[in-house]
Amino acid sequence: NAGVTQTPKFRVLKTGQSMTLLCAQDMNHEYMYWYRQDPGMGLRLIHYSVGEGTTAKGEVPDGYNVSRLKKQNFLLGLESAAPSQTSVYFCASSYHAASAYEQYFGPGTRLTVT
Amino acid sequence: AQSVTQLGSHVSVSEGALVLLRCNYSSSVPPYLFWYVQYPNQGLQLLLKYTSAATLVKGINGFEAEFKKSETSFHLTKPSAHMSDAAEYFCAVTLSVYLGGSEKLVFGKGTKLTVNP
Repeated sequence: NAGVTQTPKFRVLKTGQSMTLLCAQDMNHEYMYWYRQDPGMGLRLIHYSVGEGTTAKGEVPDGYNVSRLKKQNFLLGLESAAPSQTSVYFCASSYHAASAYEQYFGPGTRLTVT
Repeated sequence: AQSVTQLGSHVSVSEGALVLLRCNYSSSVPPYLFWYVQYPNQGLQLLLKYTSAATLVKGINGFEAEFKKSETSFHLTKPSAHMSDAAEYFCAVTLSVYLGGSEKLVFGKGTKLTVNP
């Protein structure tokens, strides 16, 4: 099993450009999450999904959109990138609710917006 | 809403010394608590979790944590630090969905552990 994979690993965008980050998991997990990690801030939840075709807002959803068209994939989109979105983005998945099941994390995508 | 506070953003210990990373939680009902570790340039991985069974929880790599309700704490310890323990450690909290919780984890801001030779 590859676990949780993220594409791309690194990206540099100019302000106003758009991009999509792809997260894929091969563990048949129901739940998927997108976090951003900033120095001194820990991990903050952007959006999450509790199953194929469903999405929900997390703590910091503004400026991001997501889609879960297939169970194994969870896409994070930035429609118009801003320097404040410079961060490391992590995708995670879990078999079921966070309280009972471990979240498995991908290796991260380092995004710089200039 | 539940939250966690990690005391000390940086902790430095000598190799072979005791590791103590502090985490205090805020929750109106008994929470579920987790410690995750992040090695440089990697994602997070689970060290251990408390889900209302034994209050002393043993994890991977010799780490353990004790749930203390009276102190609202879930501190992480390891008797003897190894160079390979150098990483960032995150405490996280959630509630059972059956107690009105959700599918989300709330993370602390992290503690970076340095191990000196």
